[in-house]
Amino acid sequence: QSALTQPRSVSGSPGHSVTISCTGTSSDVGGYNSVSWYQQLPGKAPKLVIYDVTKRPSGVPDRFSGSKSGNTASLIISGLQAEDEADYYCCSYAGTYTYVFGSGTQVTVL
Amino acid sequence: QGHLVQSGPEVKTPGASVRVSCKASGYTFNTYGIIWVRQAPGQGLEWMGWITAYNGKTNYAQKFQGRVTMTTDTSTNTAYMEVTSLTSDDTAVYYCARDGRFRADYWGQGTLVTVSS
Repeated sequence: QSALTQPRSVSGSPGHSVTISCTGTSSDVGGYNSVSWYQQLPGKAPKLVIYDVTKRPSGVPDRFSGSKSGNTASLIISGLQAEDEADYYCCSYAGTYTYVFGSGTQVTVL
Repeated sequence: QGHLVQSGPEVKTPGASVRVSCKASGYTFNTYGIIWVRQAPGQGLEWMGWITAYNGKTNYAQKFQGRVTMTTDTSTNTAYMEVTSLTSDDTAVYYCARDGRFRADYWGQGTLVTVSS
């Protein structure tokens, strides 16, 4: 199972929006509405920010949103804040209790 | 509100084995699965496998089949992962997380395993 493809880095100014793409195949991203996104601050465990493509866990700001089209999922961070600077990983269910993570994207707030 | 607490850091020599524990609280342990993920220094997250606490059914990433064993103990609400035949490439932080129906909704704090001669 190959890692899902994410851009290595994205950046944006405070208050602006950034979009992180996550490209897989019809066997993972395209085949299931079970894409999740995780925020990882340096030295910390990952934190769930989006699940089932578009849903936000309680406590996650509504600045975080998700979408999917075909084999590509996206995480959108609107109204970028300094505290959003972190690494972000997508993850997709790939059938039979198998998961695959994305390669990870570093978000920089300019 | 789920909470997972992992065992402490380990230092192992090449060829040895390591077992990491993950104690769950705050939810009904045997109604969810546990996934294991590792992260090598400066690298991304890598899914290692999944186990259901209900009956111990497992599914391992192909890369780790034959070298990883995941188990659970429902009497203590604890999941375990053992990795054998360690090499320096296994140096990483190992995480457990609750499989909250196709998402890892609660994570342990991570366990650093260092493999060095």
